[in-house]
Amino acid sequence: SAVISQKPSRDICQRGTSLTIQCQVDSQVTMMFWYRQQPGQSLTLIATANQGSEATYESGFVIDKFPISRPNLTFSTLTVSNMSPEDSSIYLCSGKDRGRQETQYFGPGTRLLVL
Amino acid sequence: AQSVTQLGSHVSVSEGALVLLRCNYSSSVPPYLFWYVQYPNQGLQLLLKYTSAATLVKGINGFEAEFKKSETSFHLTKPSAHMSDAAEYFCAVSLNAGNMLTFGGGTRLMVKP
Repeated sequence: SAVISQKPSRDICQRGTSLTIQCQVDSQVTMMFWYRQQPGQSLTLIATANQGSEATYESGFVIDKFPISRPNLTFSTLTVSNMSPEDSSIYLCSGKDRGRQETQYFGPGTRLLVL
Repeated sequence: AQSVTQLGSHVSVSEGALVLLRCNYSSSVPPYLFWYVQYPNQGLQLLLKYTSAATLVKGINGFEAEFKKSETSFHLTKPSAHMSDAAEYFCAVSLNAGNMLTFGGGTRLMVKP
């Protein structure tokens, strides 16, 4: 199975600032995703990170607020821009294993608190 | 389109008792089904998955789930709960290997001594 790491693991930020979250996978994955998990809730897909091109965003999420990069097969970043307290969530990176494409593995998450 | 419903946002059992977490899905085609577990302050860990092979799927930590097409269900069970099973459990569905996951609302399992 793919091993996925994220940095930072948690952060406390001031409103109006931006935070970039990094996701590193230890092996090649076919697809990478970014999810948001608001307090006490389930996971919501933000976008699919596409290698070398613009991410594909889900309804309700826009590139200006959540710019995403994926420069190669094993690395992606998510930026939460111009943060407000409503952005306080856990942000999780995930990837589909190249060998078992039906299976999605998740990173440990980044816990963000915006004051 | 697919959707997942988890009945019961909170389930409490005694240590040693049967664990039953319910998941019903809606899908236009035979789906792939997954159970993930999230321990406190951690990410999601795959417990088990159904991908159109055996309908009874065994996963890690003694958990298993049975795919019942007639009931559109994929309930998660464990014969005997352990204190370490206390966590949030998520059921998820995808239409095919290349499709994205849709998650249920999650069920928080509490285990009483």
